[in-house]
This record gives sequence, C-alpha cells and structure tokens, in this order.
Amino acid sequence: AQTVTQSQPEMSVQEAETVTLSCTYDTSENNYYLFWYKQPPSRQMILVIRQEAYKQQNATENRFSVNFQKAAKSFSLKISDSQLGDTAMYFCAFMKAPSGTYKYIFGTGTRLKVLA
Amino acid sequence: NAGVMQNPRHLVRRRGQEARLRCSPMKGHSHVYWYRQLPEEGLKFMVYLQKENIIDESGMPKERFSAEFPKEGPSILRIQQVVRGDSAAYFCASSPLNSGLEDEQFFGPGTRLTVL
Repeated sequence: AQTVTQSQPEMSVQEAETVTLSCTYDTSENNYYLFWYKQPPSRQMILVIRQEAYKQQNATENRFSVNFQKAAKSFSLKISDSQLGDTAMYFCAFMKAPSGTYKYIFGTGTRLKVLA
Repeated sequence: NAGVMQNPRHLVRRRGQEARLRCSPMKGHSHVYWYRQLPEEGLKFMVYLQKENIIDESGMPKERFSAEFPKEGPSILRIQQVVRGDSAAYFCASSPLNSGLEDEQFFGPGTRLTVL
C-alpha cells in the first residue's frame, strides 16, 4: 500500500522569502503522479503543481517548483517570493497510474503561515 | 463552465439521523470521487463512482455509509444513523477520464457535517 508522509505540521516564512515543504512517499510502483494541493481557510482544494514520475524534469508553476527525487521517493515544494495569500494548508498527494481507480493518497498536511 | 458543486455546504444532524450529501460534477465529467477530511487531518479516499457503477469503495466504512451516482442527477453520499465521529468535511471531486487528463481531479467546496 502507498503512504505519503509530511513531517512538518507547521511552518512559517517571512513575506518575500522562500520556503520549502517536504513530502516523502512509499510505493513499489514505477509509474505514478504526485501533486501539491493548497487548502486556504475557505477549505477549497486548489491544485498547485503536479509531477509525472516518468518525467525527470522538475515541474514549475510561476513561484512554485518541486524537487522530485524518484530514487529517494521525495517530492518537496518550494515557494519563492512568498505572499500573504500563500497562507494555507498544503497537502502532498500520490496517485498510482494507470490504476483503474485513480484515487489520491494524501499526506497529513503542512500548515504554512506567511508573516508580514 | 461551472466547477464541481456540493450541497449543502453545512449540515447539522443529531445522532441517529440520516445525512445526505450531494455532488454535481463538472460538465462533461462522468467520474466522481468522495473524500473525508477529519479535523486537522488530510483527505481520505472513500469511494469512486462512474455513472450507475461503484468502481472502488475500499475506503468506505462497511456500515451506515452508501454512495450512488445515478444516470440522471447528482452523486449522493448517504450516512445513516450518524454518530459524532462522522463529523467531518466531505469533499467530492470529478474527472473527465479517457481524455488524456486522467491524472487530475477537480474538487468541490466540501460539505461540513456536524453531528450533535
């Protein structure tokens, strides 16, 4: 069974600084997807970035980038130039593919607070 | 194109009552997933449905919980004889599948169930 671990329950960062959230996972699969979701106080789940395991190049989306280390089963999220609106819970998620069920396995989350 | 819609957004029930949570997927999506988020935890997969079929219910409690996705109308998650431990946020997600985008699910705003 797959597991996702986020070892940082809470983090804080000064506005405009850079922060890295860590995520590790355990799987015997070779083909899968990894995701970072943001959940602000509104509780809406917002996709931040995704990575296909077969791609060696790390995904980037504007201020958000990942460091994907497949051998180490590590998938960290780097937020550059942090903004107050980045304050939220961040969840790392795994999806086996192709699986037939396509369900997400989520980590327990990291609560990020951006300080003015 | 409206996003995934869930109603009600908030639901209060007394112990022993029934709770019905509704989810209308995005237009063109025929695959629905239900997740439960207990307080201060990540989302946990419950069930995956296609129109008129349950594909994977491995995360659904064996008793009191049921889900359906009829040919017409929204998907329904039904909880009978609710207990305090059922208090949680219930999220629905949908995906198009078979379109090359099978790696992403789009989430609704969630229904927060409170059992008194």
